[in-house]
Amino acid sequence: DIQMTQSPSTLSASVGDRVTITCRASQSINSWLAWYQQKPGKAPKLLMYQASTLETGVPSRFSGSGSGTEFTLTISSLQPDDFATYYCQQYDTSSTFGQGTKVDIK
Amino acid sequence: EVQLEESGGGLIQPGGSLRLSCAGSGSTFSLHWMHWVRQVPGKGPVWVSRINSDGSSASYADSVKGRFTISRDNAKKTLYLQMNSLRADDTAVYYCASGGGHVLYDWGQGTLVTVSS
Repeated sequence: DIQMTQSPSTLSASVGDRVTITCRASQSINSWLAWYQQKPGKAPKLLMYQASTLETGVPSRFSGSGSGTEFTLTISSLQPDDFATYYCQQYDTSSTFGQGTKVDIK
Repeated sequence: EVQLEESGGGLIQPGGSLRLSCAGSGSTFSLHWMHWVRQVPGKGPVWVSRINSDGSSASYADSVKGRFTISRDNAKKTLYLQMNSLRADDTAVYYCASGGGHVLYDWGQGTLVTVSS
């Protein structure tokens, strides 16, 4: 099974900060990676797929990069609505999610 | 966009069975692969099962293979998950989601399954 490891587990930041979350795969997944945002008590919401393709309606302050085994999600200027937990998901072989990165208020 | 609503969760004893349903709305339900994903509060989501658009092909995570069965009724715009031989480690919030392959575009609000004596 492909394992997905996110870092950091928790990230404390302020509104306006540039935030970067890293996701590493245990083997190459090409660009078959998605990112989701989840708020407490809600279902995950798709932000991005194929590593860097923004889902319709997602603000352009979100961007993704990477291929192979290392990927990043960047929020260029953190907004109040962005405080949430973020998950990466590989879909190269079946599907595996990372353990999550919680972005909270500094 | 597909709107989804799960039902059927609850408290069940170990070894018991439960059937989850996921009602979809919109004219495109029958075009999408459908998935079940579960999540223990505070942990990452875990993919459980998926079924293709016409119901002819399904796959399962190893942890549920042989115990869970996914199915769909496109005429009723409903997805199902039959869960047998339930164990304590099946306790989670279960989400249905529609996808293009394994990318999960739309999710339901989830239904809680608690396996406990």
